[in-house]
Amino acid sequence: RKEVEQDPGPFNVPEGATVAFNCTYSNSASQSFFWYRQDCRKEPKLLMSVYSSGNEDGRFTAQLNRASQYISLLIRDSKLSDSATYLCAVNERGGFKTIFGAGTRLFVKA
Amino acid sequence: GAVVSQHPSWVICKSGTSVKIECRSLDFQATTMFWYRQFPKQSLMLMATSNEGSKATYEQGVEKDKFLINHASLTLSTLTVTSAHPEDSSFYICSARGTSQETQYFGPGTRLLVL
Repeated sequence: RKEVEQDPGPFNVPEGATVAFNCTYSNSASQSFFWYRQDCRKEPKLLMSVYSSGNEDGRFTAQLNRASQYISLLIRDSKLSDSATYLCAVNERGGFKTIFGAGTRLFVKA
Repeated sequence: GAVVSQHPSWVICKSGTSVKIECRSLDFQATTMFWYRQFPKQSLMLMATSNEGSKATYEQGVEKDKFLINHASLTLSTLTVTSAHPEDSSFYICSARGTSQETQYFGPGTRLLVL
């Protein structure tokens, strides 16, 4: 079993749609959680950290379910510019290294 | 956010040559730097973790004699791909983290094409 698993997609959605991505992790001792965005042929950029209480940044909402060991990302009112690959990432307790999921590809179409 | 640079941004070389990639943290001291490799349409794969002044820790399956990592200062780490072959062609990305940081900041990546 992979340490961090994501549905690879692709998700094809129209502009304005709401789309949700899930990510599961296998290490129950994981401490910190993140969502990154990676555009084609570019490096990943931090989108948001994920906190236990859930957190929101504009159209983006991230949630953590420790009991079920998954994190989610919700994108509301999708824009064409949201088209990218979304990577979830997990730090183990002690936070020495970050494990990335394979990413979920999103295509937002007009 | 913090800034990390990588140089060169792309390189084309002949099989058998060695290629050095530099990763610099521009506005913070990076106690830990990570090197990743990403093949097309695949995930980031961690190759090694380096701490300033000590030997790098390589992930399983990564040849330490082929991928030489040096982290001589708090702002610079280098990855040297020795005797590169076409199968080494990939997107190499570094990231850096300071002592007080939980998140990593990525460099822009280096595209390596070995002919």
